[in-house]
Amino acid sequence: GAGVSQSPRYKVTKRGQDVALRCDPISGHVSLYWYRQALGQGPEFLTYFNYEAQQDKSGLPNDRFSAERPEGSISTLTIQRTEQRDSAMYRCASSSSAYEQYFGPGTRLTVT
Amino acid sequence: KQEVTQIPAALSVPEGENLVLNCSFTDSAIYNLQWFRQDPGKGLTSLLLIQSSQREQTSGRLNASLDKSSGRSTLYIAASQPGDSATYLCAVTRHSGGGADGLTFGKGTHLIIQP
Repeated sequence: GAGVSQSPRYKVTKRGQDVALRCDPISGHVSLYWYRQALGQGPEFLTYFNYEAQQDKSGLPNDRFSAERPEGSISTLTIQRTEQRDSAMYRCASSSSAYEQYFGPGTRLTVT
Repeated sequence: KQEVTQIPAALSVPEGENLVLNCSFTDSAIYNLQWFRQDPGKGLTSLLLIQSSQREQTSGRLNASLDKSSGRSTLYIAASQPGDSATYLCAVTRHSGGGADGLTFGKGTHLIIQP
């Protein structure tokens, strides 16, 4: 079946612009997670949802970052007033009740 | 705060060798541990998941063990092949009221298998 998909795959934006990154989880997966990965590092947890409820947002770096999952399926990670330090690979993962997380291909964000 | 360390950071071995990758974590109150593979410029592929109540899991030439009390896991790769060359990441999660929390990752072991 289809895996986790993310769009866009690549995003180049100017400093100060807002960006929205989309994640479409595996059908039926209850939990959805957002991570950020810098080059040469493991992914860093940002936030996660069970159905439409945001369970933990402790990893969001500051209040410019927000996420939603209004219908318990597709999720959007929004970064307002982007800064160069926001440049990274943003990864989404989903899991069923078995808790094994499956990752999407990621969105490469470059802020110029 | 949970910290995950992977040793070695890089490893290069001839094809055919058996090898062990190590992972340690500071907080033993984990719910599960997951091993991933990451190829350059690609996404993460889940290899094995070990629940905290389990001691090991096997998939083909891969075997992962978990010693929760000592905060350690090992990934054993048998009869290594050039196609095994990748970065291997270890990650742990806690159990929260709503399910499994976000994963905490190590920095990975960069593995090269020489033909």
